[in-house]
Order: sequence, then structure tokens, then C-alpha cells
Amino acid sequence: DAMVIQNPRYQVTQFGKPVTLSCSQTLNHNVMYWYQQKSSQAPKLLFHYYDKDFNNEADTPDNFQSRRPNTSFCFLDIRSPGLGDAAMYLCATSLIEETQYFGPGTRLLVL
Amino acid sequence: KNEVEQSPQNLTAQEGEFITINCSYSVGISALHWLQQHPGGGIVSLFMLSSGKKKHGRLIATINIQEKHSSLHITASHPRDSAVYICPLHPPKGGATNKLIFGTGTLLAVQP
Repeated sequence: DAMVIQNPRYQVTQFGKPVTLSCSQTLNHNVMYWYQQKSSQAPKLLFHYYDKDFNNEADTPDNFQSRRPNTSFCFLDIRSPGLGDAAMYLCATSLIEETQYFGPGTRLLVL
Repeated sequence: KNEVEQSPQNLTAQEGEFITINCSYSVGISALHWLQQHPGGGIVSLFMLSSGKKKHGRLIATINIQEKHSSLHITASHPRDSAVYICPLHPPKGGATNKLIFGTGTLLAVQP
């Protein structure tokens, strides 16, 4: 089935140790999004790609970077995770201006 | 005032009950989502509505664009329906952004 896949589902990292989260999609959507969701809060958009065009939200910390090597894959890199970066990270995809389809999320724990 | 308000914020129901969750908004939209998120889990897209009514299994979603209101109904509720239900808004097409507008969600607990 066409879907949005996130790996891993759970990630444990150490304070300051770089970590990469992965998202892939079989929907052939041209837009991919990364959200951060902390406990009991709504998801917060970090950035999105429209094809290869990268769009960063104004309040996304520099510690967060993203790569989209091709249509199917998008990566979230956290260069130096802090305790405050522990959260659920959600990937979503869409056609431009159409509904967003969410992946299952990766829960990040920072020790 | 938030652009999207959900009610109730918390809801406890007995298994088998008919449940309604409401979503009111104050801005123009192109569509409205209903999403389900289980505790500690990822998000499942239930519906996207721009008009009328959609049904999937025991779930029914309606939207009234003129009144800026949507409802999610769950018939014959079951404990596995326990989750947070969120109704993010899609901004109008052709606007400056495709950024979803999220409310705070409704926490539903269905007791056996």
C-alpha cells in the first residue's frame, strides 16, 4: 500500500550526539514536511520541501537540518540534540495545496 | 481567540455510546482534517473535508462551511477509539502558505 514510512519508530541518543531520522514515501508527493510534537502539544512545523526547494520555519532552531536527496526520501538531522529536543517527530507528505498524509512518527529520547 | 477551537477538550464515554466531537474555526479554509493520535503514537488521517459529509466504518465527519463548523461522530464506540482527535485546518488555496492550523485536540477515553 502507498504510505509514509518513518524509521526508526523509537530512537535513543545521547546529549550532543548527532542523530538522523528518516522518512520515505511511496505516494510520489512533491511536498514533504517535518513536524515536532512535544507532550500534550499540537505538532509544530519545522520545515518543508516543495520538490527540492527547502522552506524553513522562522523559529526552527539551527540545530535542525534537513535533506531531501530524491522525491521519495527526506531526512531530519539534529546536529547536537539537547534534552529539550526529546519529542515525537512526524513526517507528512502532500501534493501541493492538497491533504497531508502523516507517517507514524519517530519518538526521540535524549539521555 | 484561537483560530480553531475543539469541544469538548476531554471526553469520557462508555463503550457503545455515540460520540460527537466538535471543531469550530474563525478563518477561511480550503479544507479541514480530522486526525487521530493514540497515546504516544503517530497520527492517522481519518478524513479531509471541504464540504458535506464523509463516512468510514463507524466514523462520520460533517462540515458546514457557512457556519465554520465540523463534527466528528463515532458510532458504537469502543475502547480502541480512545485517542486524541485533532482537526487541523488547510488554509485557502493560492495563499501564502500551506501550513496547517492546529487546535489543541480532544482527548477521548472510552471505558469498557
